[in-house]
Amino acid sequence: DTGVSQDPRHKITKRGQNVTFRCDPISEHNRLYWYRQTLGQGPEFLTYFQNEAQLEKSRLLSDRFSAERPKGSFSTLEIQRTEQGDSAMYLCASSLEPYEQYFGPGTRLTVT
Amino acid sequence: AQSVTQLGSHVSVSEGALVLLRCNYSSSVPPYLFWYVQYPNQGLQLLLKYTSAATLVKGINGFEAEFKKSETSFHLTKPSAHMSDAAEYFCAVTQAQKLVFGQGTRLTINP
Repeated sequence: DTGVSQDPRHKITKRGQNVTFRCDPISEHNRLYWYRQTLGQGPEFLTYFQNEAQLEKSRLLSDRFSAERPKGSFSTLEIQRTEQGDSAMYLCASSLEPYEQYFGPGTRLTVT
Repeated sequence: AQSVTQLGSHVSVSEGALVLLRCNYSSSVPPYLFWYVQYPNQGLQLLLKYTSAATLVKGINGFEAEFKKSETSFHLTKPSAHMSDAAEYFCAVTQAQKLVFGQGTRLTINP
């Protein structure tokens, strides 16, 4: 059990550019979640997959955001036309049951 | 919708003193409750969870929490603080398939 991994750990991009983050869940976990955490706040839910199906999306997930989980394994989160307000820590979590989520180290995005 | 309120954004205690971090929740259904810890520039680590079994839950690193339905509370305690406990602590409640987090409490340990 190597835990949840995320890549990259840090990303600096210019406003208007597209970015993509990757999450590799714990191997036997069929549920995968994305959260966003801004400075001084708790994580906020973005989206949830069970296997390859995206079952829920938050209203926080604007049209510029898209997430995929092909083949029910790793997941990617893409942000198009980044804005300064997108600067945050993006956290991925996975679980086997619908609770007890295990989190990765996060990807810190800075939009300049 | 479920929600979580953590009373006190910053708590400071002396090394060896009792740690008490407060969490109150609102939930329309019997909740599952969690405490997570986050060290700087890292993800969240699960400390403990309540899933409708024993109301006193023991977790890692000497932490425990008590579920009190009448008070809608799930406060986190540790009898004796250690310098390594300095971190951000988050209380969370399940809402359908996701977690709803409080705003966090930053714990500082004074030597």
